[in-house]
Amino acid sequence: EVQLLGSGGGLVQPGGSLRLSCAASGFTFSSIAMNWVRQAPGQGLEWVSTIGGGGATYYADSVKGRFTISRDNSKNTLYLQMNSLRAEDTAVYYCAKTWHLDSWGQGTRVTVSS
Amino acid sequence: DVVMTQSPLSLPVTLGQPASISCRSSQSLVYSDGYTYLHWFQQRPGQSPRRLISGASNRDSGVPDRFSGSGSGTDFTLTISRVEAEDIGVYYCMQGTHWPRTFGQGTKLEIK
Repeated sequence: EVQLLGSGGGLVQPGGSLRLSCAASGFTFSSIAMNWVRQAPGQGLEWVSTIGGGGATYYADSVKGRFTISRDNSKNTLYLQMNSLRAEDTAVYYCAKTWHLDSWGQGTRVTVSS
Repeated sequence: DVVMTQSPLSLPVTLGQPASISCRSSQSLVYSDGYTYLHWFQQRPGQSPRRLISGASNRDSGVPDRFSGSGSGTDFTLTISRVEAEDIGVYYCMQGTHWPRTFGQGTKLEIK
C-alpha cells in the first residue's frame, strides 16, 4: 500500500525557514517523480514544485529562489526547504507521487505569522 | 502559464441525478508524445485530494464507474452519472502537459 507521510509544518515568523518532509513507502521511491502542492486556507490547489526520479527540478514562479525541493532515495524521503517565508506561503502542503499526482499524502500545515 | 477555467464553480445537485463539470484550458493539452495530460481530482471535506481520472478519460483504480471523463485538446468534462452522498466535495482539473502545472479554480458539488 502506498503511504506518503508529511511532516515538519508549524508556525514560523515572516522571513523564517522551515523544512518539510514526506516519508514514502509502498513503491519504488527512487525512480518516481515527486511533487509538493499547497492549499491556502479556504482556497484551491496550487502546484509548488516537482523533482524527477533523475533529480530534475521544477518550481512555481511564486517560490522560485526561496524554496528547494530535494530527495534522499536512501531514506525514501522527499523534502521541501522553505526560506524567506511570507504570509502568503501559509497553507497546507501536500506531497504527491508521480508526474501526474496519482497518490497524495495527508498534508502538513505551515503558518507564517508574527 | 496555461490557465484552467472550470464551470460552474458551484454545483447543487439532487441525489441520483447526473452532474457535469467543464474544464477549459488556454492552450492545447496534447503533449509531443500524443498523450493528453488532463487529470481530475476530488477533495472531500477535510480530506486530501484524490485523483479520479487521468489522461482525460482513464478512471483510476477503485474509482466508481459512475465517474467518467471526456474531451480533447482544450475542452474537457467530468461527468457523474448518478450523484451519491459520498461525492460531495470540490473537484479540480489539472494540466500535466506544460510547466508550470496548473489547476482549475475548483467546483464545489453540494446536495440540493
